[in-house]
Amino acid sequence: AQTVTQSQPEMSVQEAETVTLSCTYDTSENNYYLFWYKQPPSRQMILVIRQEAYKQQNATENRFSVNFQKAAKSFSLKISDSQLGDTAMYFCAWAGGTSYGKLTFGQGTILTVHP
Amino acid sequence: GAGVSQSPSNKVTEKGKDVELRCDPISGHTALYWYRQRLGQGLEFLIYFQGNSAPDKSGLPSDRFSAERTGESVSTLTIQRTQQEDSAVYLCASSERPQPVTRANTEAFFGQGTRLTVV
Repeated sequence: AQTVTQSQPEMSVQEAETVTLSCTYDTSENNYYLFWYKQPPSRQMILVIRQEAYKQQNATENRFSVNFQKAAKSFSLKISDSQLGDTAMYFCAWAGGTSYGKLTFGQGTILTVHP
Repeated sequence: GAGVSQSPSNKVTEKGKDVELRCDPISGHTALYWYRQRLGQGLEFLIYFQGNSAPDKSGLPSDRFSAERTGESVSTLTIQRTQQEDSAVYLCASSERPQPVTRANTEAFFGQGTRLTVV
């Protein structure tokens, strides 16, 4: 079975600074996807960034980038130039193998951006 | 509709009663998923529908939980004889048909969930 672990229950950062959220996973599959989702207080889950495991290049989306280390099964999210609107719960998630559509989530990291 | 719609937004029910939660996926999305999120925790997979294939029910926690989906439209999640430990936010998501990893995969779009409180 796949597992996703986020070891940081809470993180905080000053506005305009950079923060990195950690995620590790365990899987025996060779082909899979990794995701970071953001959940603000509205409960709406929003996809932040996605990484295909067969791609070596790290994904980037504007201020968001990942550090994907396949051998180490590590998938961290870096948020640059943090904004107050980035305050939310962030979830790391895995999908792949024979169940591409079924996501396995980590426990989440609460990120607070301070002015 | 523009997004995944869930109803009701909030539901308070008495222990032992049955509840039905509804999910309207994005039009044209063949895949639909239900997740449960307990307070301060991550999402737990419950059930997955893909087109007319048999659903993946591997995440349903007990036989009190069931879900149906008519074709590629609305889905209902039913919890019978509710217990206090069923209190959680129930999230629904939909996506286009998941692709093999050699193609661009599809994003799962989530609704805003139903907060269920069992008293």
